[in-house]
Formats: sequence, structure tokens, C-alpha cells
Amino acid sequence: GAGVSQSPSNKVTEKGKDVELRCDPISGHTALYWYRQSLGQGLEFLIYFQGNSAPDKSGLPSDRFSAERTGGSVSTLTIQRTQQEDSAVYLCASSFRLGSGFSYNYGYTFGSGTRLTVV
Amino acid sequence: KQEVTQIPAALSVPEGENLVLNCSFTDSAIYNLQWFRQDPGKGLTSLLLIQSSQREQTSGRLNASLDKSSGRSTLYIAASQPGDSATYLCAVMGNAGNMLTFGGGTRLMVKP
Repeated sequence: GAGVSQSPSNKVTEKGKDVELRCDPISGHTALYWYRQSLGQGLEFLIYFQGNSAPDKSGLPSDRFSAERTGGSVSTLTIQRTQQEDSAVYLCASSFRLGSGFSYNYGYTFGSGTRLTVV
Repeated sequence: KQEVTQIPAALSVPEGENLVLNCSFTDSAIYNLQWFRQDPGKGLTSLLLIQSSQREQTSGRLNASLDKSSGRSTLYIAASQPGDSATYLCAVMGNAGNMLTFGGGTRLMVKP
């Protein structure tokens, strides 16, 4: 597609429920990232996928968070047993990466995010 | 651990004024630096990307500079307009190339 697509755009869930957030990156982009933006906070890195390599999960805040990327394209971020502190905007980004570097003309392209509210 | 700081946190200027947003980072071993714009309730829009080997990039009324050795970048906005009102975020990518580290942003308001 023309841009990074995220769904749903808004999600309200009860504390303790599981949620799944979806990201469709730009076609051909090999790298995919999830970030979290809490109210009044900066963007916090969560997880990074690059091609068929093992993902960098170093930013996931707890084992309730997991993510997968199927077929090198669509990614799903799953939060189990949601807590109120999980309320935030979850942003997905993709980028085109060549080998150990990044294509000169491409930075990150972000989706519009999913606003998650845990009540 | 890389830390990115943006000053000021908020800025209000009259329309037409030229302005400078500042970004500093603690680890100069960066691969690139990117400036983004974020409108309320929206995602991030990439404005300018500067590779570590570059000194500046320009797009329209925007000019971003990079001084890697001193850990600084500035975003210059010429002849500001009310439509420029948004939060501006600076982010650096380390040489490992795995993720961007973001500053806290500068919230800009341009008054008509």
C-alpha cells in the first residue's frame, strides 16, 4: 500500500483482557518496528523485525507483550492480561534496509497508530 | 545508552517568525538523525533525514543541520505559518541500526 496501515485506530478494553494490534507495512519494506507513546511521554521502542532475522525484543516491557511478523509483511502486537498502564498509542513503522545499512532515501514511515485505552 | 533531549519543550511564536528547534544526543556514534512532525492524535510524518556523513538537509522552508561530534542538531523553520503548529520530534539511529531513540519533542504553536 501507499503507507503504513494500523488497525484498529482505537481500542477500549477491560483490564485483564488480551488485545491484538495489527500493522501492515509498506510493501517491500524489510524492517518493521513497534513503538509506544504514553500520555506526556516520548516514544518508547518495543520491538524490531528485519527480514528473516530473529526480532530484537529488547524494548518489550514485560512478558505480557509479544509480537510476530508473518511472511515478512503483516505484524501483530499482542498484549495479554492488559493493565491500565498499558494505555498508550502504539505506533508501527517500516523502513527499507539494505544489508547492514539503510537506503539513503528512506527513513522510517510511521502509521497513524492504535490508541489503546484499558479501563 | 543514547539519550536525546529537545529544547525548548514548548514554543509559541507569531506568524512569519523564523525559529530554531534544538536537539542534542549523548552518543555521537549515530547512523542517521531524523526530524518528524506529529499532529495531535496522528502518527509521525518524516520531515528530514540526515545521514551521519552529512551536515544538513533542506526541504522547502525547513533546514536541518547536524554536528555529530558535538551531538547536536537544529531544525530551522523559515517564515513560520499557523499550519506549522505541531510537535516536532528528533530521533537518532545508532550504528547498530536497530531502532530510533526519540527526544521528548518540541510543541510549537504559531499564532496568526
